[in-house]
Parts: sequence; C-alpha cells; structure tokens
Amino acid sequence: QSALTQPASVSGSPGQSITISCTGTSSDVGGYNYVSWYQQHPGKAPKLMIYEVSNRPSGVSNRFSGSKSGNTASLTISGLQAEDEADYYCSSCATSTTVLFGGGTKLTVL
Amino acid sequence: QVQLQESGPGLVKPSETLSLTCTVSGGSVSSGSYYWSWIRQSPGKGLEWIGYIYYSGSTNYNPSLKSRVTISVDTSKNQFSLKLSSVTTADTAVYHCARHDVFRRCFDSWGQGTLVTVSS
Repeated sequence: QSALTQPASVSGSPGQSITISCTGTSSDVGGYNYVSWYQQHPGKAPKLMIYEVSNRPSGVSNRFSGSKSGNTASLTISGLQAEDEADYYCSSCATSTTVLFGGGTKLTVL
Repeated sequence: QVQLQESGPGLVKPSETLSLTCTVSGGSVSSGSYYWSWIRQSPGKGLEWIGYIYYSGSTNYNPSLKSRVTISVDTSKNQFSLKLSSVTTADTAVYHCARHDVFRRCFDSWGQGTLVTVSS
C-alpha cells in the first residue's frame, strides 16, 4: 500500500480559493466514500476538517468543502484566511480494515 | 469532550521495544462506536497509520509494520497501548493516539503526540 499523493505545497492570497488534491487508486480513494481531511498547525495535533468525502464536523467553517471524482479527492478552502495556513492531510480507507494517509500539503497564505 | 493523552519513554535504544500508553478521558474505550488508534509522524514527514484496536480486543495493523506491532486495550484503566519491537532510527517519530469513528471512518479526536527518539 502506497501513501496517497498530494501536492507538496499550495499557496493563495487572502480571500482567494485554493484546492488540494489527493490521488489514490480504485482500491482506496476510488473504492470507498470514506475520504477525510485533517488540518495540522505546527506542533499541534491534527484536526478533522472533512469526513465521508464532503461532510463537515460541527464547528468547522463552511469555507472548507470536499469532493471526489474517480480516484482523486479534493479539499477546497474558499475565502482564504491567514489562520488557514497549515499542513493538510487526506486519508482514505484502503481496505475494509486499513487506512492510508496522503503525504501532506503545506498551505501558505501569501 | 473526549481527550487522549500519550505517555511513555521519549528515548529508546535500537533493537529494543518502544512502549506507549494512551489514556482516554471524557469517553470510554469500551464504546462500540470507535476504534482506538496509533498514528506516527516522522520528523518533517507525513502521517503514517500504525493500527487500531476495538474494545473487544480485535486489532488491525498497517501491513508494513504488522510483524513488529502489538496494540492492546485495558478497559479497566480506560487505556490502550502500543508496542513496537526491534526499533531502528527510522522509527523516530511523534506518536499520536487517536479515536477512529467506526461509522464515519475518520479520526475525530487526537492526542497531542509524544516524540520518541531511537538512539543509542
């Protein structure tokens, strides 16, 4: 099982929208609607931002949205804010009992 | 609100066994709605799922680590534990414990993490 593929970095200016992709295979991302996304600020624990491809936990801003097409999932952040600057990780079921993470994407707010 | 806290030695010698414990408060490891998980993050690297355990004792492990990993649960102490044998410097990482929702298949609560360094 290989890690899911994410871009190493993305950037955007305040107020803009950015999208982070997460590419897997038909055995993980494409095979299950169990893609989740996590935000991690330096030295902090990861925080769940999206689950089941496109659902937001209570308390997460509606500026964060998720989607999936085939073997690629995406996280979109609209109305970019300074506090969104962080590392973002995707995750997917890889079988009914195992889990894969992406390599992580560093978001820079210019 | 559930809280998870990792504890254990911060330094382990090569070839020895890494042992960590996660103490859960504000929730119960006996809940049938969650798996209790270990995830690690090597310095400057991404997240790697190690494995998880159900309250019944049923476990699932990352195939790449399976031969060296044991996860156990102690419902009386509301804790679960990780043992990783025959460690090398490649096992140096921040180790997080986390709660995995059985139905939503996501990690909805995380511990802060504890750095374990493998060095002689």
